[in-house]
Amino acid sequence: GENVEQHPSTLSVQEGDSAVIKCTYSDSASNYFPWYKQELGKGPQLIIDIRSNVGEKKDQRIAVTLNKTAKHFSLHITETQPEDSAVYFCAASIPLDSGYALNFGKGTSLLVTP
Amino acid sequence: SAVISQKPSRDICQRGTSLTIQCQVDSQVTMMFWYRQQPGQSLTLIATANQGSEATYESGFVIDKFPISRPNLTFSTLTVSNMSPEDSSIYLCSVGGRGDQPQHFGDGTRLSIL
Repeated sequence: GENVEQHPSTLSVQEGDSAVIKCTYSDSASNYFPWYKQELGKGPQLIIDIRSNVGEKKDQRIAVTLNKTAKHFSLHITETQPEDSAVYFCAASIPLDSGYALNFGKGTSLLVTP
Repeated sequence: SAVISQKPSRDICQRGTSLTIQCQVDSQVTMMFWYRQQPGQSLTLIATANQGSEATYESGFVIDKFPISRPNLTFSTLTVSNMSPEDSSIYLCSVGGRGDQPQHFGDGTRLSIL
């Protein structure tokens, strides 16, 4: 099937620094790109998403950029805090007859050290 | 967003047995999805479950192994049949995925097979 590649697999930053996670996708039909944060023992929580008609979206310390031509999208977290430590997943939509499913990247384990 | 409850939250089962996982949503939703997350891995779509129709399974997943029910717009079950240690995973249900609706996940069922 179509793939979503995610890098890096692990990322360690100091509190206050920025963190960037990058993803690429291969399915030209994908038009929706959410990012999820998963803490230990919990399900993935949607933190931000972007659609293919938008190049950038920001929500406080979190921003996502999309280059549809290059099939790249990235998550940017500024002023990181220890509570940002978690596994982050990018995803790309898979069109269905009545909606869409999601194809996930392999995840990035982010550690923010005080 | 919808509140999604999964039961059981975790279980330890003997090989060869079957377990049924329940997913309850606090509002009516058209589309429900079942994903598998193997230890330390990403999420893989098992099937799409729409009310009033048979579930649609992804490549590598079959109805005999993972039968799904969707009796109404707020509930679905996934059965993991004839379990083996390779079935040890987190099983997650999600809702949304219709039109512009984001997908939201339950906290998952952590399944270990001895």
